[in-house]
Amino acid sequence: DGGITQSPKYLFRKEGQNVTLSCEQNLNHDAMYWYRQDPGQGLRLIYYSQIVNDFQKGDIAEGYSVSREKKESFPLTVTSAQKNPTAFYLCATKDVGRSGNTIYFGEGSWLTVV
Amino acid sequence: RKEVEQDPGPFNVPEGATVAFNCTYSNSASQSFFWYRQDCRKEPKLLMSVYSSGNEDGRFTAQLNRASQYISLLIRDSKLSDSATYLCVVNREGTGRRALTFGSGTRLQVQP
Repeated sequence: DGGITQSPKYLFRKEGQNVTLSCEQNLNHDAMYWYRQDPGQGLRLIYYSQIVNDFQKGDIAEGYSVSREKKESFPLTVTSAQKNPTAFYLCATKDVGRSGNTIYFGEGSWLTVV
Repeated sequence: RKEVEQDPGPFNVPEGATVAFNCTYSNSASQSFFWYRQDCRKEPKLLMSVYSSGNEDGRFTAQLNRASQYISLLIRDSKLSDSATYLCVVNREGTGRRALTFGSGTRLQVQP
């Protein structure tokens, strides 16, 4: 199947723990993004990457880290420095070579701090 | 002021009704506009792009007003399955960010 795969779908974290959310795509898209969505809120950009080995902070990068060692993969680590990590996390990709700038989403990961 | 603003709703309408949502954006350099649909606890999915001349896809019509900096979505003959949150999305590529800005969404509830 083509698309974007996020895992795990549900994750519970104890306070003080780091956790990593996986995002893998086989769409051959250059750009990848991580968004966070809180209940009843819009999406906020955490990090984005337009090319392998390069990534940029979004609007709410504090307490998060990413890597982009392969085109297909853009994992997000939620560190203990993120004080309120409970949220719905969405990975997305975009084919920057095409016009229209359509962005596609994975199914999301629900992170809960217990 | 938020970069992209939407009325959160909910808009409660009967089946068969026509309903319209507006979305305003603050960055006049914005270049691309989209409507996404998000079902409860699911990822957003592209509903339609919004073109300068306006465009239609079945029961859905999208329009752009650059002078007043808003886009609109019109849904005709509402179905129960149209119940969802509709996200307005604006491309901020002009700023170099190469990322999309999402509104908080307008919730639509179509009732039998």
